[in-house]
Amino acid sequence: AQSVAQPEDQVNVAEGNPLTVKCTYSVSGNPYLFWYVQYPNRGLQFLLKYITGDNLVKGSYGFEAEFNKSQTSFHLKKPSALVSDSALYFCAVRDGRGTGTASKLTFGTGTRLQVTL
Amino acid sequence: GAGVSQSPSNKVTEKGKDVELRCDPISGHTALYWYRQRLGQGLEFLIYFQGNSAPDKSGLPSDRFSAERTGESVSTLTIQRTQQEDSAVYLCASSFVWREQFFGPGTRLTVL
Repeated sequence: AQSVAQPEDQVNVAEGNPLTVKCTYSVSGNPYLFWYVQYPNRGLQFLLKYITGDNLVKGSYGFEAEFNKSQTSFHLKKPSALVSDSALYFCAVRDGRGTGTASKLTFGTGTRLQVTL
Repeated sequence: GAGVSQSPSNKVTEKGKDVELRCDPISGHTALYWYRQRLGQGLEFLIYFQGNSAPDKSGLPSDRFSAERTGESVSTLTIQRTQQEDSAVYLCASSFVWREQFFGPGTRLTVL
C-alpha cells in the first residue's frame, strides 16, 4: 500500500520569507511524487513532479521540491513567499512500477499555506 | 477544449434521488480518475479507468456509486439514492498513461 503524510495542517509565513511545506511518503517500489495546489473554489493545479534524476525538482510559480530517498520525503519549497501563494497544497505519490493499477495516486490530507504581509 | 471539463458545476438534489456527473477529459489522455473532496478535507480516490483495462473501482464507497467511460472519452459518475453524506465536490482528472494528472473544476453536489 502507498501512503502520504503531510504533518502540518497549516503553515504561516511572512511575504518575502522562504517557505517549506512538508511531505513524507511510503511506497513499495520507486516513488513517483507530485505536488498540486488548490486555490479557493478552484480545481487542483499541477505544480511539479519527481520521477527520476535530480533530487531537486523545479516547478511552476517558483516552487521547487527536494526528493530525499533516505528520509522518504518530498518537501515543497520556495525561496521567497508571495501573498498570492496562499492556497491548499497537496502532496501525492504513486508506485512507479508498471502502468496498471499502480497509476492510482494517493494524496495527502493537504496543508494550508497562509502568507501574510 | 484544452482542459478537463465537468458538468454540472453545481448540483442540488433531494435525498434519495439519483444524480449523474459528467467528465470530459483532455483529448488523447488514456487515463481518467474520479475523486471526492469533502469540505475541508483531502482527496478521496473513487475509481480510475486506464485504456481498455478493467477499471480500478477500489475506492467506490458503496454499490450506490458507479461510473462508466466510453473508450478514451467521456465518463459519467452515477450516484443512486443519494444520501446527505454524499455531499462533496467530485473531481475528475485525466492523464496520459502514468504522467501527471490534470484536474477539472469539479462538481459541487449538495444533497438536501
